[in-house]
Amino acid sequence: NAGVTQTPKFQVLKTGQSMTLQCAQDMNHEYMSWYRQDPGMGLRLIHYSVGAGITDQGEVPNGYNVSRSTTEDFPLRLLSAAPSQTSVYFCASRGPLNYGYTFGSGTRLTVV
Amino acid sequence: DQQVKQNSPSLSVQEGRISILNCDYTNSMFDYFLWYKKYPAEGPTFLISISSIKDKNEDGRFTVFLNKSAKHLSLHIVPSQPGDSAVYFCAASAGGSNFGNEKLTFGTGTRLTIIP
Repeated sequence: NAGVTQTPKFQVLKTGQSMTLQCAQDMNHEYMSWYRQDPGMGLRLIHYSVGAGITDQGEVPNGYNVSRSTTEDFPLRLLSAAPSQTSVYFCASRGPLNYGYTFGSGTRLTVV
Repeated sequence: DQQVKQNSPSLSVQEGRISILNCDYTNSMFDYFLWYKKYPAEGPTFLISISSIKDKNEDGRFTVFLNKSAKHLSLHIVPSQPGDSAVYFCAASAGGSNFGNEKLTFGTGTRLTIIP
């Protein structure tokens, strides 16, 4: 099992560029989330989804869009990148009877 | 406003001894708590969780204690092993089921170093 796969692992963007961070899971999990981790801070929830077609905002949603057209995929879109979005991004998923999320290995994004 | 606080950025423990990691929270609505372990360049890994209806949960070498009146939880690792060296995050959620809900609030983490 691959678990939760995030691509790319590293990315450098210029201010104002757009991009999509990909996240795919092969565990048939209903719940998926995106977090960002900044130095000296814990992980902060950006957006989450409780099933295909259903998404909601987390703690820091501004500047990010998500969609969930399939159970497997939960891409995160940055429409116009800003230096404040420089961070490590983690995608995670869990099933309804799982106690904790399974995380991907992260995408390190730098916006210059 | 940091609702989940891990006041010790780092902790060093001798191999074989007990490691105790602490976490405090301020939101009285939190009713489900989790601990995650994170190695460099990897995503967090779920360790153990506890619902607010319990005050203790054990899984092998890991035990989590919850003191609701003090809004405090702790993770005990006994005995500590070199592979336990990592950053540990506590997290909390509110209004969920026995398995918590999707809005997790994380602490800032404690870096645990096990000294051989």
